[in-house]
Amino acid sequence: QVQLQESGPGLVKPSQTLSLTCTVFGGSISSGSYYWGWIRQPAGKGLEWLGRIHTSGRTDYNPSLKSRVTVSVDTSKNQFSLKLSSVTDADSAVYYCARAPPHHSFDSWGQGTLVTVSS
Amino acid sequence: DIVMTQSPLSLPVTPGEPASISCKSSESLVYSNGNNHLDWYLQKPGQSPQLLIYLGSFRASGVPDRFSGSGSGTDFTLKISRVEAEDVGVYYCMQTLQIPLTFGGGTKVEIK
Repeated sequence: QVQLQESGPGLVKPSQTLSLTCTVFGGSISSGSYYWGWIRQPAGKGLEWLGRIHTSGRTDYNPSLKSRVTVSVDTSKNQFSLKLSSVTDADSAVYYCARAPPHHSFDSWGQGTLVTVSS
Repeated sequence: DIVMTQSPLSLPVTPGEPASISCKSSESLVYSNGNNHLDWYLQKPGQSPQLLIYLGSFRASGVPDRFSGSGSGTDFTLKISRVEAEDVGVYYCMQTLQIPLTFGGGTKVEIK
């Protein structure tokens, strides 16, 4: 069974770029037909989908984030990454990485990593 | 964006009794192949969300059969036939038909 684990800085300064990595264990990130995505959850609030990358390399992003978000894959490390530029306090949240089979539902999630934006 | 609206916001339940959560979408979630692109997730306290139901009515692997999903188009329901103590948490519906994928606001299920 595939497992996912997020990693990255827990504290980011305003206006800087948030960078997180998700490592996939128990399966190759480049095999099959999957979406690898990012979701976040501000403290005490609901879930927001940020973006995803398909095994083919195609990406989709949440327009609400405009051009601030980028998702990429490093197959040599079996990882995919999230970059969110020009962060503000509103970007403080628990960030989850997740996998979605062809029907698009997220069937495997990481444990989440808390990112705080503060000077 | 497709807006997902859940009700109720909070649901006190008695163990052994049934429970039901509603999710309504601002647009039809039916794809051209007839599938409803609607999922249900449960986020237990302190945990990541876990998939319960996908494509409206299909139970995910390992999900107990007391959970069932129904509905089509814009109206969907998650039912728990007999609530157990381990079912507490926040339930979310999510549409996967259109980008951006969007979640409902959540329904908090707690034991009375």
